[in-house]
Amino acid sequence: DTAVSQTPKYLVTQMGNDKSIKCEQNLGHDTMYWYKQDSKKFLKIMFSYNNKELIINETVPNRFSPKSPDKAHLNLHINSLELGDSAVYFCASSPLGGDGYTFGSGTRLTVV
Amino acid sequence: AQSVAQPEDQVNVAEGNPLTVKCTYSVSGNPYLFWYVQYPNRGLQFLLKYITGDNLVKGSYGFEAEFNKSQTSFHLKKPSALVSDSALYFCAVRPSSGGSYIPTFGRGTSLIVHP
Repeated sequence: DTAVSQTPKYLVTQMGNDKSIKCEQNLGHDTMYWYKQDSKKFLKIMFSYNNKELIINETVPNRFSPKSPDKAHLNLHINSLELGDSAVYFCASSPLGGDGYTFGSGTRLTVV
Repeated sequence: AQSVAQPEDQVNVAEGNPLTVKCTYSVSGNPYLFWYVQYPNRGLQFLLKYITGDNLVKGSYGFEAEFNKSQTSFHLKKPSALVSDSALYFCAVRPSSGGSYIPTFGRGTSLIVHP
């Protein structure tokens, strides 16, 4: 069983569209995250969310929004996609306190 | 603010030779330190962590890392490299108390092991 699964694996879409990436974890972890990995492989935290607190990286445009229907899911919604949004997006989860992440396999988003 | 430096973008080593991937950090108070590995087209995988105790930490796939508080370093090591170790390696740090529990990642070091 995949511990952290995200779908789709690849997403190609046009500028201006709205899209979502889904993430689910079956580890019972309390906290989930979204990271963006750019073309130079730099990892940037976008959001951290547990059932009490949403922490947003202030540099993330408000076109990006996390939605958590329950503890095991944290989906990423992106409005009005731009070329610069092209990247690999990773979902991750951890126990409360953040010691040792488990990452999903990534979603490669290409905006054309 | 916490930060991590991985001074080498790429490390090349021959199979069978020892390898070292360097990491230095800056954090308020005591650190929690982590190493992750990313294989092509995959997510990051946890290798090992330092929380407290013995400065030499052993992890997955024969890797180990040594915490050096005076040098604020946490270098990743392996006695004998394998071609299959070729991947991207990330060091991460967060404070043990106070501040954000979200680790800060370094920019990654590409390890290439030549046959």
